[in-house]
Amino acid sequence: GAGVSQSPRYKVAKRGQDVALRCDPISGHVSLFWYQQALGQGPEFLTYFQNEAQLDKSGLPSDRFFAERPEGSVSTLKIQRTQQEDSAVYLCASSLVNAKRAGNTIYFGEGSWLTVV
Amino acid sequence: AQSVTQPDIHITVSEGASLELRCNYSYGATPYLFWYVQSPGQGLQLLLKYFSGDTLVQGIKGFEAEFKRSQSSFNLRKPSVHWSDAAEYFCAVVRNTGGFKTIFGAGTRLFVKA
Repeated sequence: GAGVSQSPRYKVAKRGQDVALRCDPISGHVSLFWYQQALGQGPEFLTYFQNEAQLDKSGLPSDRFFAERPEGSVSTLKIQRTQQEDSAVYLCASSLVNAKRAGNTIYFGEGSWLTVV
Repeated sequence: AQSVTQPDIHITVSEGASLELRCNYSYGATPYLFWYVQSPGQGLQLLLKYFSGDTLVQGIKGFEAEFKRSQSSFNLRKPSVHWSDAAEYFCAVVRNTGGFKTIFGAGTRLFVKA
């Protein structure tokens, strides 16, 4: 597609429910990132994929968070047993080249807004 | 650890007035520096970036930023603000030694009054 596409755009989950957030990166992009943006804050890094390999997951806040990109394109961020503090916007981003070539442009999706009630 | 400070949580300027948004970073060397804009309900859009060379960087929508090594700053400027510039602005850094994590500041919300 023309840009990074995320779905659902908005999700309301009851506490304890599992959620799955999908990201379709720009076609051909090697690198894929997930960020969490709490209300009034800047985005915070969650995890990074180079193709299908998850090279860094140091930002995932707990073992309830899990991300995958099995075929090196679409990625899913799964949150198990959601809690109120998980309420945030989850941003996906992609870039064309290996992100170790620091500074290459990354393109963000519009985000998935998760509210846990 | 790297960090990015945006001292102003929000700024209000009149349409047509000049704008400067402040950004300071903490890092052992000069990182790659970025400014992003986020309109309500939207993702982040890259305004400009600095890697090396000329310390005054031009971006989209009439924005520019100046890198000052001595002050560890990368302030964003625009000579004449338009009402459509009202948004949240984020300064960000990436380590220039093969890093890939973008570290964002907390953002500055820009309000534009008629």
